[in-house]
Formats: sequence, structure tokens, C-alpha cells
Amino acid sequence: DTGVSQDPRHKITKRGQNVTFRCDPISEHNRLYWYRQTLGQGPEFLTYFQNEAQLEKSRLLSDRFSAERPKGSFSTLEIQRTEQGDSAMYLCASSLGRGPNTGELFFGEGSRLTVL
Amino acid sequence: AQTVTQSQPEMSVQEAETVTLSCTYDTSESDYYLFWYKQPPSRQMILVIRQEAYKQQNATENRFSVNFQKAAKSFSLKISDSQLGDAAMYFCAYRSNMFSGGYNKLIFGAGTRLAVHP
Repeated sequence: DTGVSQDPRHKITKRGQNVTFRCDPISEHNRLYWYRQTLGQGPEFLTYFQNEAQLEKSRLLSDRFSAERPKGSFSTLEIQRTEQGDSAMYLCASSLGRGPNTGELFFGEGSRLTVL
Repeated sequence: AQTVTQSQPEMSVQEAETVTLSCTYDTSESDYYLFWYKQPPSRQMILVIRQEAYKQQNATENRFSVNFQKAAKSFSLKISDSQLGDAAMYFCAYRSNMFSGGYNKLIFGAGTRLAVHP
């Protein structure tokens, strides 16, 4: 399977703990995105990487959140000192930054976080 | 700021029938893309259809077609000959095509859950 993969698929943690999610994009895609989706809502943009550079961060991304994409390949999203409000599905997507299909995002299955 | 509104939280259709999902959006821009994404239960979101705002012709992909009304800022999705596999959440999304010096993010609506009955 050469799609976007995310790990873990489910994470249950206690309030105050740190969690980290990993995303492996489609190999030739230079753009990578993180979105957050809460129950009954559409995905909300969190952050965007072009290669290894983090070019945009949403105001939703508080200082407890950090994302990296070393070497422009996989990405990690870390949440420190989790709060119950962080419970959500965290979606990763990737795309090509050039070519006729620019703009089509390919999504992973998501990492569901439950904070108790 | 752009917004996307899907006013139908849930819809249902009989197998083989046709259903239309509604989407309206608000923007002051003239150059943008509109998308419909499908999110099956516990599966990844996939692109169903895309419309470029400068194209007057409505996009069509097999059983899926859109009714794009730019002046009314309306972008509905029609699913013909509905199949059980069409059951999913459907999200309408907007993306600016105006150069803003940054990334033009996808802005999603809240989604419509479509049930397909045999």
C-alpha cells in the first residue's frame, strides 16, 4: 500500500501526558498537512510543511503542540500536557506541489486521541 | 474569511436512486477550487470531485456530478444510481487559488452523513 499511513490509529491517554503521532506521506509528495477533526465537524487545518520547512501554523496549534518533518519525509505531531479538549481525530494528508493535480490532498486514516 | 456551510447533517437515499447534497460557501475571491470529499466509516477521506471556479461547466465523475452556481455561491453534489458503498460522510471544501504568500488551506464544511438503504 503506497497511501498515507498514520500511527498509532488509536491512543488513549491520561490528562497531562504527552503523546506523539507519526505520519508517513506518499513518497513523492513534498507537501504534508495536519488537520484535526472533532466529532460532528469537518477537519480543521493545523499546520503545513513543504519538504522539511513548516510554512504555516494555525492559531489552533497552541504552544503545547509541535510538529516536525525532518528530512522532508515522515512527520510527527506531539502534544504535550494533553487536555480533554485535545480529544479528536488527527488527520495527516500529503500532496504534490506541482503538476496538474496540485491541490488534491491524499489523507491517511487518522489517529484518534482520547484524553481521559 | 471564507466559510463553508453544509445545512444537511444527515441524508438518506434508496439504493439506485438519486440524492443531492447541498453546500454553500462565502468568499470575496474570484479564483478558487471547490471539492467534495468522502469519508467512509473508519476509512480515509478521498476526493470525489473537484470544480475550478473559472470553469462554467459543471464537473462530472461517473455517477457523481456537481451543480456549481458561482453567483449564488452554491456547490451541490448529485449522486446518481446510489450504491451501498456510497454510504459515508461527505465534506464540501473550499481552497483559494489566490497567491497569498502562504499556503492556501482547505476549509471544510461540517459534513453530511449519507445513509443508503437497500
